[in-house]
Amino acid sequence: DSGVTQTPKHLITATGQRVTLRCSPRSGDLSVYWYQQSLDQGLQFLIQYYNGEERAKGNILERFSAQQFPDLHSELNLSSLELGDSALYFCASSVSESGLYEQYFGPGTRLTVT
Amino acid sequence: AQSVTQPDIHITVSEGASLELRCNYSYGATPYLFWYVQSPGQGLQLLLKYFSGDTLVQGIKGFEAEFKRSQSSFNLRKPSVHWSDSAEYLCAVVLLREAGTALIFGKGTTLSVSS
Repeated sequence: DSGVTQTPKHLITATGQRVTLRCSPRSGDLSVYWYQQSLDQGLQFLIQYYNGEERAKGNILERFSAQQFPDLHSELNLSSLELGDSALYFCASSVSESGLYEQYFGPGTRLTVT
Repeated sequence: AQSVTQPDIHITVSEGASLELRCNYSYGATPYLFWYVQSPGQGLQLLLKYFSGDTLVQGIKGFEAEFKRSQSSFNLRKPSVHWSDSAEYLCAVVLLREAGTALIFGKGTTLSVSS
């Protein structure tokens, strides 16, 4: 158990809908990362937050947004969902904003768009 | 552009045999490299990392990796695999930016250990 929690574990929704994925980092970790894992693209970095502020962005679609709240939990919002958004979404946390520290990964949220 | 390549999509080895998983990176600066393992239904777990110093690094679960700058490689090895090592293995490089960081992952190698 990494100490990072993600909810829900599974999510099935229809095209065009909007969903919110939630992540609670390990106690004491200030940095949260979001990743998307699909069969064709592999594991791709989406976005990083550190202590409530956006720090780094990857190939995150404009339909996707995230935020980190004062209690340090984070939410990833996916809107206007398409079939291609079906994937495993991971959250990871780290003690600092530097990538040189280990990132601890949650178990992921599997999103299925039908 | 920075990238990580894992040339082997799927590898099958017999229990007790040795293992080497390949990882090649493309990165202009000094790379900071990681190997993660992903088991079904679970998140990723860090096996080992290389930042600097000794090019042979030891990790958890009996794994080691060797950084070879001349070959842009960071291959993962284990002298004797166990059936419980069956999993997805992912190599990654840290991409340092002006603000924040990102991990760039390879597409992974699925390891199957047969008894």
